[in-house]
Amino acid sequence: DGGITQSPKYLFRKEGQNVTLSCEQNLNHDAMYWYRQDPGQGLRLIYYSQIVNDFQKGDIAEGYSVSREKKESFPLTVTSAQKNPTAFYLCASTYPGGSNSPLHFGNGTRLTVT
Amino acid sequence: EDQVTQSPEALRLQEGESSSLNCSYTVSGLRGLFWYRQDPGKGPEFLFTLYSAGEEKEKERLKATLTKKESFLHITAPKPEDSATYLCAANTGNQFYFGTGTSLTVIP
Repeated sequence: DGGITQSPKYLFRKEGQNVTLSCEQNLNHDAMYWYRQDPGQGLRLIYYSQIVNDFQKGDIAEGYSVSREKKESFPLTVTSAQKNPTAFYLCASTYPGGSNSPLHFGNGTRLTVT
Repeated sequence: EDQVTQSPEALRLQEGESSSLNCSYTVSGLRGLFWYRQDPGKGPEFLFTLYSAGEEKEKERLKATLTKKESFLHITAPKPEDSATYLCAANTGNQFYFGTGTSLTVIP
């Protein structure tokens, strides 16, 4: 079955450490997205990528970094510069912009930084 | 400013009590309006896409409708398993604008 796999489901880190969240899709989608979800807030866009080796900052990119070396993979690194990293992180994919296709989501990674 | 607003924030229904969830949007160049269901600790699950005013989509007890300014998700005779957070999102091409969701609880 096609889908988006995020790993790990839960992640615990100490302050000051960088951490990388994995996102892999086998839907043959070109576009991939990272969102952050906090209680009482809508999904906020961190980064997105329309094609391999290209990506754009979203609304809250500070303290995060991404890479897009393969079509299937879009890992997100939460750096020590991110002031409030504890959150639920969602990866999504779709066909490229303008195609009217919905986003398909993974099941998220819950990151806790203490 | 492009934005999406959902109401109410939370809704409690008795099993069988029908109701509607609202999604108001102000975006430039709507390409599609999407509804999702999200269960606790999981990613949003796609439900419907609506493209133009007057369009309707149905799935089991759910029906989504679209006007030029808002979308409604009608829930007919809900069951406890319909309890979840329902999100709507507006697409303008590359960007998706999400509402904060309506948390629905259906009481047996």
